[in-house]
Amino acid sequence: AQSVTQLGSHVSVSEGALVLLRCNYSSSVPPYLFWYVQYPNQGLQLLLKYTTGATLVKGINGFEAEFKKSETSFHLTKPSAHMSDAAEYFCAVRREYGNKLVFGAGTILRVKS
Amino acid sequence: GAVVSQHPSRVICKSGTSVKIECRSLDFQATTMFWYRQFPKQSLMLMATSNEGSKATYEQGVEKDKFLINHASLTLSTLTVTSAHPEDSSFYICSARVDRDTEAFFGQGTRLTVV
Repeated sequence: AQSVTQLGSHVSVSEGALVLLRCNYSSSVPPYLFWYVQYPNQGLQLLLKYTTGATLVKGINGFEAEFKKSETSFHLTKPSAHMSDAAEYFCAVRREYGNKLVFGAGTILRVKS
Repeated sequence: GAVVSQHPSRVICKSGTSVKIECRSLDFQATTMFWYRQFPKQSLMLMATSNEGSKATYEQGVEKDKFLINHASLTLSTLTVTSAHPEDSSFYICSARVDRDTEAFFGQGTRLTVV
């Protein structure tokens, strides 16, 4: 079975500062990993995903994440936060060819001016 | 990117009535659609998975007679909340994908309030 743990339900950064959102997963098989962003009262938008190949994945809006198998982590980073990055972020995992996408509890990112 | 449209975005209904939520893939054919429920300040919980032309597979604890899912075509799935009660009030989100090798795209969600 897969599971996802997001450390920190709320993260606050200053505009221009580094964003780091933590995600650890457990999976008995090689996982596919995802980061989604959700703005209030909206659905989810895919930021980036890892399936196979290069472990450093670049996504939209300047975000990137690195798959570290030894640490079972897939942390999301952005070098410089922008006010528009304020939203809720979800890490998710699923098996290759699997149906079920398992989400973490989410991390609300606040960006201070 | 692929577009998934959900309708309505908000709905208020009276207790005891039924409400239907539509999920459409606008520019691709979705063999599989997923329905999620999201409680305030919580994550998404998968309710059911539906494949076009077959019965939906419900997650444990989800009442299939309460939440009717129909996936009659490759571009449309519907979720009907029957005999709605205030505890059914929630944010419902659908997602759709072409096949197992592709990612799923999410609709914008439907805020259901039962009064």
